Amino acid sequence: DIQMTQSPSSLSASVGDRVTITCRASQRISSYLNWYQLKPGKAPKLLIYAASSLQSGVPSRFSGSGSGTDFTLTISGLQPEDFATYYCQQSDSMSWTFGQGTKVEIK
Amino acid sequence: EVQLVESGGGLVQPGGSLRLSCAASGFTFSNYNMNWVRLAPGKGLEWVSYISTSSDTLHYADSVRGRFTISRDNAKNSLYLQMHSLRAEDTAVYYCASSGNYFLGFWGQGTLVTVSS
Repeated sequence: DIQMTQSPSSLSASVGDRVTITCRASQRISSYLNWYQLKPGKAPKLLIYAASSLQSGVPSRFSGSGSGTDFTLTISGLQPEDFATYYCQQSDSMSWTFGQGTKVEIK
Repeated sequence: EVQLVESGGGLVQPGGSLRLSCAASGFTFSNYNMNWVRLAPGKGLEWVSYISTSSDTLHYADSVRGRFTISRDNAKNSLYLQMHSLRAEDTAVYYCASSGNYFLGFWGQGTLVTVSS
């Protein structure tokens, strides 16, 4: 299976901050990389697919980049509703695998 | 509005069985591949199983292969996960999620499965 390594595992940030989360794949996955947001008690939400494509309805402050093995999720101007846990996921090969998650907390 | 609503979770003893269901509405269910994904306490997301639109392709995570069976009924807009030989490590919130070929587009809110004596 392809291993996905996210960093950091958690971070503290303030409203308005720029936040960057990285995800590294154990082998090249082209652009088959997606990002999700999880909040307790809510349905997980797709943010970014194919490394850099913004899912419909997702605010433009979210952006993704990268290809091959190294990927980044950036939140430009953190909002109160963005405090959540974020996961990357590879879809290059079944079985799909996720990173271990990054919890974004209020500073 | 797209909705996926899971049900069937609960407390079960180790070695027991449980069947999860996912009711879909607001989209053409038969046009989408479907998946089960779980979130164990204190752990990250784990993809569990995949079924294609016509049920001709199935995939399972190594951790559940041989114990779990995914199925669907397109006439009833429903997805299922039959779980046997349950272990403590299967304790998790189980989500159903639709997918194209490469990403999980819509998710339900999940149903909690607790395996404990």
